[in-house]
Amino acid sequence: NAGVMQNPRHLVRRRGQEARLRCSPMKGHSHVYWYRQLPEEGLKFMVYLQKENIIDESGMPKERFSAEFPKEGPSILRIQQVVRGDSAAYFCASSPTTGFKYYEQYFGPGTRLTVT
Amino acid sequence: AQSVSQHNHHVILSEAASLELGCNYSYGGTVNLFWYVQYPGQHLQLLLKYFSGDPLVKGIKGFEAEFIKSKFSFNLRKPSVQWSDTAEYFCAVNLNTGTASKLTFGTGTRLQVTL
Repeated sequence: NAGVMQNPRHLVRRRGQEARLRCSPMKGHSHVYWYRQLPEEGLKFMVYLQKENIIDESGMPKERFSAEFPKEGPSILRIQQVVRGDSAAYFCASSPTTGFKYYEQYFGPGTRLTVT
Repeated sequence: AQSVSQHNHHVILSEAASLELGCNYSYGGTVNLFWYVQYPGQHLQLLLKYFSGDPLVKGIKGFEAEFIKSKFSFNLRKPSVQWSDTAEYFCAVNLNTGTASKLTFGTGTRLQVTL
């Protein structure tokens, strides 16, 4: 059973460009979460999605950031007009749909975004 | 809103020393508690978890943690660390509400084990 997949692993963007980060959850998982890890900080929650629905976006910056999890395909975290402060590691996690284990989140390898 | 505090930011131990990393959370309701480990260059892996029941939980690689509800604590322990335990350790919590929910993480503890 493949784990959570994220791509690209490393992404370099110039200021003002768009960044698209992809996340494919584990097989059988329908909950996806995005977290951001800034240098020397812990992970901060951004958004929680189920298929075609945003459940909790309380951690998303109000501007330039958006996320989706379509019926088919991976979840996408989109950052428009990137700035230097967006440089961070972005982690995706997924959790199962049923049973107690929906409390557990399994993490992908992350995408390290560098804005130059 | 819940928060998680990890008081030790950087810990250096010799091999075979005992380890205890502190974790405190602030939330009055029912929570699930987790410890994750991030080895250099790798993604987060779940070390152990507490949902309910026996407050002493055992995880992988000889780690254990004890949930003390009265102290809002979930400290991680290992009797004898190895060089391969060098990593960053994160305590996390989410709400036990019957539905999936976001994790709130502590800022992490960087453990360095010397030979």
